[in-house]
Amino acid sequence: EIVLTQSPATLSLSPGERATLSCRASQSVGSYLAWYQQRPGQAPRLLISDASNRASGIPTRFSGRGSGTDFTLTISSLEPEDFAVYYCQQRNSWPLTFGGGTKVEIK
Amino acid sequence: EVQVLESGGGLVQPGGSLRLSCTASGFTFSNYAMSWVRQAPGKGLQWVSSISKSGGNTYFADSVKGRFTISRHNSNNALYLEMNNLRVDDTAVYYCTNGGGGQALDNWGQGTLVTVSS
Repeated sequence: EIVLTQSPATLSLSPGERATLSCRASQSVGSYLAWYQQRPGQAPRLLISDASNRASGIPTRFSGRGSGTDFTLTISSLEPEDFAVYYCQQRNSWPLTFGGGTKVEIK
Repeated sequence: EVQVLESGGGLVQPGGSLRLSCTASGFTFSNYAMSWVRQAPGKGLQWVSSISKSGGNTYFADSVKGRFTISRHNSNNALYLEMNNLRVDDTAVYYCTNGGGGQALDNWGQGTLVTVSS
């Protein structure tokens, strides 16, 4: 099973600041890495697929990069609605696995 | 507009059974693998099961293998999760989503809560 480790667990930032979230895989997942956003009380929402492809309707302030075992999600300038929990997920091999999440909170 | 709607959750005793349903619209259901993902209260996301476009291939997390069955009816745009021998640690919100091994989990329903308790 591929283990995904997200860091940091919590990121405390102010609106307008840049957020950088990390996801590290225990073995290579190629580019088969996705990022999801989950706001309180809501279902997860796909942000980024295949490491760097923004999903439909996702603002350009969200960007993803990486391959192999190291991946990054960047939010260039935080909007109030971006304070949420973010998960990475790999689909390179079964079982599909998620990281433990990074909570982006208002400082 | 894409819509995914789960139903069938509820309170069940340990050892009991429950069948979750998911109906989808706004996309060609038969063109997508489908998956179930769960989230225990206050915890992160956990993949449960996926099924291929035709239904010919199914995949399960080790924690549910042998107890859960996934199926689909493409003619009705419907996905199912049959859950048997339920345990307290199966308590979670269960989400239906399109996608699986071949693509990211694109469209999610709002989830249905399953509570296993005596």
